[in-house]
Amino acid sequence: DQQVKQNSPSLSVQEGRISILNCDYTNSMFDYFLWYKKYPAEGPTFLISISSIKDKNEDGRFTVFLNKSAKHLSLHIVPSQPGDSAVYFCAAMRRGSARQLTFGSGTQLTVLP
Amino acid sequence: DVKVTQSSRYLVKRTGEKVFLECVQDMDHENMFWYRQDPGLGLRLIYFSYDVKMKEKGDIPEGYSVSREKKERFSLILESASTNQTSMYLCASSSRGLGQEQYFGPGTRLTVT
Repeated sequence: DQQVKQNSPSLSVQEGRISILNCDYTNSMFDYFLWYKKYPAEGPTFLISISSIKDKNEDGRFTVFLNKSAKHLSLHIVPSQPGDSAVYFCAAMRRGSARQLTFGSGTQLTVLP
Repeated sequence: DVKVTQSSRYLVKRTGEKVFLECVQDMDHENMFWYRQDPGLGLRLIYFSYDVKMKEKGDIPEGYSVSREKKERFSLILESASTNQTSMYLCASSSRGLGQEQYFGPGTRLTVT
C-alpha cells in the first residue's frame, strides 16, 4: 500500500508559467515532508522541505504548501524555467523512524521554452 | 559540500553471481541508506544503518544484505543476483536529528542477465 502518492506521472508547463506538483499521503504519523529533484543519470537532490507544524515554506522560486487535514502537499515553481525539467519526488518522514523517508512515485516535469 | 560516491555507475552481472555495491560518504553522517528506483514505483528503501555495525530492514530487503564496518562506508550485497534485481541503486546519507535531509550518490545502474 503506497503511503505517499503522486498521481500525475507527468506535467508539461510553458516557460514563465507556474508549475504545481501534487502529493498525497495516508499515514498521519508523517511529520516532515521533502521534495527532491532528479535529473537523468544523477542521484536525487534535495529541493525544499516543510515541517508538519507549518503550512507553507518558501525558498526563492519554490514554495511548498501543506494541508494536514487533507493529507496533501504541493510544490509550486514560479516562474518555471526549462532547467526545471526533471523528475520530482515527494517524500515523507515519520516520528521515531530513524529518519527513514517514504517516497512517492515521482512526477516528470517538462518546461517548454 | 556533502559528497556521496558509489563504486560503479554501470554494472552488468549474470544470474546467480554475488554482487557488491559500495557507497562512501565524506560528511561523517550517522545514517546511511540503500534504495532502488524503478519506473512508476519511485524510490524504495532496501536497508538502512544508523550506526556502525547496525542495520535495519527497509521495505524490500528480500534478496539483499548489507554491511557497515566503518562509519563512512555502507555496502549492499546481492547474494545471488536475479533478473528482477535489475534496477537503479541509490545510496544516501544523513545526519541525526529532525529535518536532516538525505544526500544521494549518483546511482549504480545494475543489469542482471
